[in-house]
This record gives sequence, structure tokens and C-alpha cells, in this order.
Amino acid sequence: SQQGEEDPQALSIQEGENATMNCSYKTSINNLQWYRQNSGRGLVHLILIRSNEREKHSGRLRVTLDTSKKSSSLLITASRAADTASYFCATVRISSGSARQLTFGSGTQLTVLP
Amino acid sequence: ETGVTQTPRHLVMGMTNKKSLKCEQHLGHNAMYWYKQSAKKPLELMFVYSLEERVENNSVPSRFSPECPNSSHLFLHLHTLQPEDSALYLCASSVEKGNYGYTFGSGTRLTVV
Repeated sequence: SQQGEEDPQALSIQEGENATMNCSYKTSINNLQWYRQNSGRGLVHLILIRSNEREKHSGRLRVTLDTSKKSSSLLITASRAADTASYFCATVRISSGSARQLTFGSGTQLTVLP
Repeated sequence: ETGVTQTPRHLVMGMTNKKSLKCEQHLGHNAMYWYKQSAKKPLELMFVYSLEERVENNSVPSRFSPECPNSSHLFLHLHTLQPEDSALYLCASSVEKGNYGYTFGSGTRLTVV
């Protein structure tokens, strides 16, 4: 079953503005990750936040995690046209198996207008 | 390049053909994955190979057959596919345990005619 749901499905902003994307999930998790995908290409790992962390920064990216609400947000500050892509959240569930399995949401299509 | 290489990049095949997708990584990762990405659908995990287990998604039809001869190579063998199998097939690798992200290849765009 689908684990993550991103919101909004599509977002269009002007260059320089901030972009915020949200993700909700259903089960208990080990960690939550955000990925980026340019059209027709593979996914690129952006940032990982562990279940015992509440906020994490990496460059212009800020991720928050609220395990009580089973939700996360990704903030991209000072957006650039090159940030135009699809953004996915993915969760790793707590399981007894050794292989970590990532489950992805449907993604947010971000368009940054020059 | 991400360190995960997929070939071919594009593949067009008839429903009666047999073909294979190849994935290779030399990142020292010990888990590899096949994902299917169809239009307007979430990425679907098809198969997982790790040091200790092979995990299959029981909803994947038997016309898809994975093979993992060693920790660096992963194949997806295709036979008698259907047009609805047309999609982007993505390979990924990771460290099996711990909190690490996946490294994805660029994918194989498969079209079944």
C-alpha cells in the first residue's frame, strides 16, 4: 500500500521564493527521506531524517518531521529555475527484515519560473 | 553519473520478445532494488536483493524475473510483456542496514508494442 502522500501535487512559484512541500505517511518509520527527480531521469537522494529527529538542514533545504502527526515537510529556500523537478518523500518502515525497503509517495511537481 | 549504471537507456520490445535489463554498481553497496515508475503512479517496489534475503513483491507478474549473481550486478529478465508494462524501470542500491539513502540509476524507459 502507498505509504507517503505529498501535498500539493503541483506547485508553481517565482524564482527567489520559498517552496514548501508536505508529506504524510501511515505506519511507524525508521527514517524519512526526500528525493528529487528531473523529468524521465533517476531519483537523487536529497536528505534523510531519522525518526528521533525533528528538523534537519542541508544547504537551502530544511526538513521537519512530526512523528505524532506522521508528517514531514520539505522547504526549499531562495528557489532557482534549476530546482524545477518532482520531489518525493519516502519512508523506511520499522520491520524485522534486514533489507530496508523504501516506499514512495506520488510526488510534488515543482515549477520555478524565472 | 550516480555510480549506478543501467542499460539500456531505452528499449522497445514486442509482446513476444525476451529481453533483459541490466544494473551495475561499484559503490560497495550490498542491497539492490528494482522499481517500476508508471505515469501518475507512485514508484512501485518490485524486487529487493540483500546479503541475507531476496524479497519479492507478490503482486509482480511472473513475466518479470530478477537475477542477482553478485552484490554488484542485478538483472531484470522480461518475457511476454503486455503494453501496460511500459514504464520507467529504475534500479537502486544502498547499504543494507542503517540510515542511508538509496542511489538510483538513470532508468530504462521500456515501451512494449
